[in-house]
Amino acid sequence: DVKVTQSSRYLVKRTGEKVFLECVQDMDHENMFWYRQDPGLGLRLIYFSYDVKMKEKGDIPEGYSVSREKKERFSLILESASTNQTSMYLCASSLIHLRGNQPQHFGDGTRLSIL
Amino acid sequence: DQQVKQNSPSLSVQEGRISILNCDYTNSMFDYFLWYKKYPAEGPTFLISISSIKDKNEDGRFTVFLNKSAKHLSLHIVPSQPGDSAVYFCAARATAAGNKLTFGGGTRVLVKP
Repeated sequence: DVKVTQSSRYLVKRTGEKVFLECVQDMDHENMFWYRQDPGLGLRLIYFSYDVKMKEKGDIPEGYSVSREKKERFSLILESASTNQTSMYLCASSLIHLRGNQPQHFGDGTRLSIL
Repeated sequence: DQQVKQNSPSLSVQEGRISILNCDYTNSMFDYFLWYKKYPAEGPTFLISISSIKDKNEDGRFTVFLNKSAKHLSLHIVPSQPGDSAVYFCAARATAAGNKLTFGGGTRVLVKP
């Protein structure tokens, strides 16, 4: 079974802090993704990565950055946390789509509160 | 502009009956569609998918139907069970854009015993 692990289930930070969310997958997947989930809006893609040191902006990248130094690890960084970044953050991974239709596998999420 | 829409935010159904969840999309480049199920405090789990070359895919109690001309897909759950109570997300992908998924807003299903 694919295992996607997010380092924290709950996190509380203050406005202006730099926040790091970590995600690790154990299936040697090329693709990794960061989403945020808000009520009624579904999951919205923040950033994704096709390979080590590669990153692409998703639909809502403003205020975020990412780092992928190793294949199994994908970090989401909130450069200066703001209250509108309070949300559920979900990490996912998948095999490259060129290997056929591959679903994304998700971690359990980090519920982040910015005070 | 939401490219994937689930117009029913919630659905209540009696145990043993059919649950039908609907999803509409606008991007004609989408060619792969997925349904995910999400329980509170857990990540979404993959349920079933369908490629645009098909119009139906079945897996046990779950069947997904795709109507490309209407840009509409639906998920049927028969028979519905209390454990099916969850939020269901429809997602779509355009292969030319890689493995990025675009999600709908979700439908909360409650199966009553």
